Amino acid sequence: GAVVSQHPSRVICKSGTSVKIECRSLDFQATTMFWYRQFPKKSLMLMATSNEGSKATYEQGVEKDKFLINHASLTLSTLTVTSAHPEDSSFYICSVRGQGADEAFFGQGTRLTVV
Amino acid sequence: QQQVKQSPQSLIVQKGGISIINCAYENTAFDYFPWYQQFPGKGPALLIAIRPDVSEKKEGRFTISFNKSAKQFSLHIMDSQPGDSATYFCAAERMEYGNKLVFGAGTILRVKS
Repeated sequence: GAVVSQHPSRVICKSGTSVKIECRSLDFQATTMFWYRQFPKKSLMLMATSNEGSKATYEQGVEKDKFLINHASLTLSTLTVTSAHPEDSSFYICSVRGQGADEAFFGQGTRLTVV
Repeated sequence: QQQVKQSPQSLIVQKGGISIINCAYENTAFDYFPWYQQFPGKGPALLIAIRPDVSEKKEGRFTISFNKSAKQFSLHIMDSQPGDSATYFCAAERMEYGNKLVFGAGTILRVKS
């Protein structure tokens, strides 16, 4: 299967600062990338879907100005958490998919802690 | 109609036993049903998946049983091992509908040695 690299794996930032999380598809052209948020012992919550070269589609209730997503190429998507606050602390996971493909491949996740 | 209901929330199984996790869905348009395994601090990894044109799929110790009329599917882990201890998520999607997976709530499996 595809190798999806997510960086950083852990990040601690101060309240009010912005944090960028990268998701790279190392051996696979990801026409679609997904960003999820996961709280402890909870399921994955889809935040947004992005297709290469176009604007991301955000799920209801997700602030697009707070969670900026850029899918600039078939191998890279970034999630920027702007003006982070402690309530943004969570586990963020990206997922990639090829066009018409069944399987979604997940990154290893990023643990964000806002202090 | 987008929900996938998963049970049980947690499960303890003896080594060598069978672990069974169940999921039910409402949307009859769903046409892809994967199961994911997640270890603490890691992203989910696909275990096995099924499409509704078959009633069972087996890969090694993992089997998906699918009941289209009941709108239910289950994961069976045969000969469960301590290394299988993880959180398991079922999911469903309508392939043409933007490929968005709808996840169940997850089951925390602990296999006792």
